[in-house]
Amino acid sequence: QVQLVESGGGVVQPGNSLRLSCAASGFTFSYYAMHWVRQAPGKGLEWVAVASDDGNNKQYADSMKGRFTISRDNSNNIFYLQMNSLRSEDTAVYYCARETSGVTKRFDLWGQGTLVSVSS
Amino acid sequence: DIQMTQSPSSLSASVGDRVTITCRASQTIGTYLQWYQQKPGTAPKVLIYAASSLQTGVPSRFSGSASGTDFTLTISSLQVDDFATYYCKQSYSLPITFGQGTRLEIK
Repeated sequence: QVQLVESGGGVVQPGNSLRLSCAASGFTFSYYAMHWVRQAPGKGLEWVAVASDDGNNKQYADSMKGRFTISRDNSNNIFYLQMNSLRSEDTAVYYCARETSGVTKRFDLWGQGTLVSVSS
Repeated sequence: DIQMTQSPSSLSASVGDRVTITCRASQTIGTYLQWYQQKPGTAPKVLIYAASSLQTGVPSRFSGSASGTDFTLTISSLQVDDFATYYCKQSYSLPITFGQGTRLEIK
């Protein structure tokens, strides 16, 4: 079954760290760039970061640079988001998404999302 | 960063209505524009990519068009299943940016 399944969310205190995982199955993971997108409660969608298909190129939204790190394990089909120095404003549902390439770029497969709540 | 200005922010309509949602990019993005539908508690789902191409499995009542930096999503005849929030998104350059969303409600 073609799917992405996120895990690792939970409640964390401000300043602490959390690592999210996105497990891919049913497709050739190493063929696709992968993204993280987040959505604060009741708010819109915010792009977080992208890793190229081979993981060698990574880009981040400015507000997350220096605090968030993405990586991927193409042998085990897992995409990660390491979040450090968490703030209350990082509270959101975090989605991973697969991106098709070329001029027809789109996020054609999403995970179900995992909720991160930053609170003391 | 490319700003995506989406309008309206909310819309009330009836089953059978024709509905149009627009998105304006702050600079040229070619046709690197997609439309996503999101229902409460679920992940977004792509409807339209490359400004006007219909994603496989999406009903043909959904269509997209482009004119310069202005983009339009049209639902030709609203169905109950279409009441949701819609987002445009540009993938022309990083950072990827989304419109603010349009909440489509039943009148």
